[in-house]
Amino acid sequence: GAVVSQHPSRVICKSGTSVKIECRSLDFQATTMFWYRQFPKQSLMLMATSNEGSKATYEQGVEKDKFLINHASLTLSTLTVTSAHPEDSSFYICSARDSGHTDTQYFGPGTRLTVL
Amino acid sequence: GQNIDQPTEMTATEGAIVQINCTYQTSGFNGLFWYQQHAGEAPTFLSYNVLDGLEEKGRFSSFLSRSKGYSYLLLKELQMKDSASYLCAVSHNTGFQKLVFGTGTRLLVSP
Repeated sequence: GAVVSQHPSRVICKSGTSVKIECRSLDFQATTMFWYRQFPKQSLMLMATSNEGSKATYEQGVEKDKFLINHASLTLSTLTVTSAHPEDSSFYICSARDSGHTDTQYFGPGTRLTVL
Repeated sequence: GQNIDQPTEMTATEGAIVQINCTYQTSGFNGLFWYQQHAGEAPTFLSYNVLDGLEEKGRFSSFLSRSKGYSYLLLKELQMKDSASYLCAVSHNTGFQKLVFGTGTRLLVSP
């Protein structure tokens, strides 16, 4: 149980384009999902908290107009990186909070974004 | 503010026992998680402590002392596949119970 999928696993795009990343909880409902970014050899940095049916909450320093988050259902959240630049290249990981299991966050497999 | 400290790297030998420490200073503490992360992969859940004491799960155990702001992850009978980063994360009792991660401890298990 507690499986979270993420798609795509890897994407390469040109500078200035937009990229959408999907995060799905497969066997539980998640009213709250989280989006993280991780640079090489660094820990996870929380970007935003995604809540089903309401606006996302962004961490300080994260541009909400650049990183669009939509939590359309209890099992799906999407992150769209708009007008991507090379400095946006990173490992993006989502997690879903299982409120039925001590509020543990389960992580998706991650998406490696490379912006040329 | 929040401050979570872990050693950067540790090395150990196959079959041995290793203890990875985590200290934290935070307000609104609502539990502490340990995750394992292999290079290039997402973290996987190992353990959760919200009350003081030891939680044992197979070869892995985790301990928490809330008064001291201290936790450790104990790995027994180390295997080569245990070489990974181990992340300590503190949950906050905000409405979303978000996690704040430590920098992670890279563990290298040698033969």
